[in-house]
Amino acid sequence: NAGVTQTPKFRVLKTGQSMTLLCAQDMNHEYMYWYRQDPGMGLRLIHYSVGEGTTAKGEVPDGYNVSRLKKQNFLLGLESAAPSQTSVYFCASSYLFRDRGDTGELFFGEGSRLTVL
Amino acid sequence: DQQVKQNSPSLSVQEGRISILNCDYTNSMFDYFLWYKKYPAEGPTFLISISSIKDKNEDGRFTVFLNKSAKHLSLHIVPSQPGDSAVYFCAASAWDDYKLSFGAGTTVTVRA
Repeated sequence: NAGVTQTPKFRVLKTGQSMTLLCAQDMNHEYMYWYRQDPGMGLRLIHYSVGEGTTAKGEVPDGYNVSRLKKQNFLLGLESAAPSQTSVYFCASSYLFRDRGDTGELFFGEGSRLTVL
Repeated sequence: DQQVKQNSPSLSVQEGRISILNCDYTNSMFDYFLWYKKYPAEGPTFLISISSIKDKNEDGRFTVFLNKSAKHLSLHIVPSQPGDSAVYFCAASAWDDYKLSFGAGTTVTVRA
């Protein structure tokens, strides 16, 4: 089982460049999320999706866009990268969250380390 | 403003002893709490959870305690093992929310 797969794992960008991070899950999960991890800040939610064709803003959405054209994929885009977006990005997915009997856990990918110079 | 706080950035414990990790939250709507464990260069993995209808949940060496009146939870690891050395994140959500709010994490180092 691949679980949640993120590509690329590493990327270096110059300020102003654009890029897309791809997240793919093979668990037929409805919900998908993009988090960023920064020292001393923990994991902060950027955007999330509750199903194919839907997206919503999280805590720190500015400078990012997302799309969920297929249930198994969730794309995170940076249109004009800034040094403040240097971070480790994690994609996660989950079943119908908080459904009876579910542990409510999120399944995370291995992370994508992005450096913006 | 972080709604989930882990005020101890690091914890060092001797192998075989108890590790106690603390977490405080401010949102009174939170009613479900989880702990995640993260090794370097890997994604976080689910460890244990607790619903607000309980005050304790145990899974092997891991026990989570919830004190709703104090808005505080703790994770106990007994006995601590070298493989427990990792970053531990506390997370919380409200019943009608799809999202988890995470704390900043506590780095646990288990000394031989």
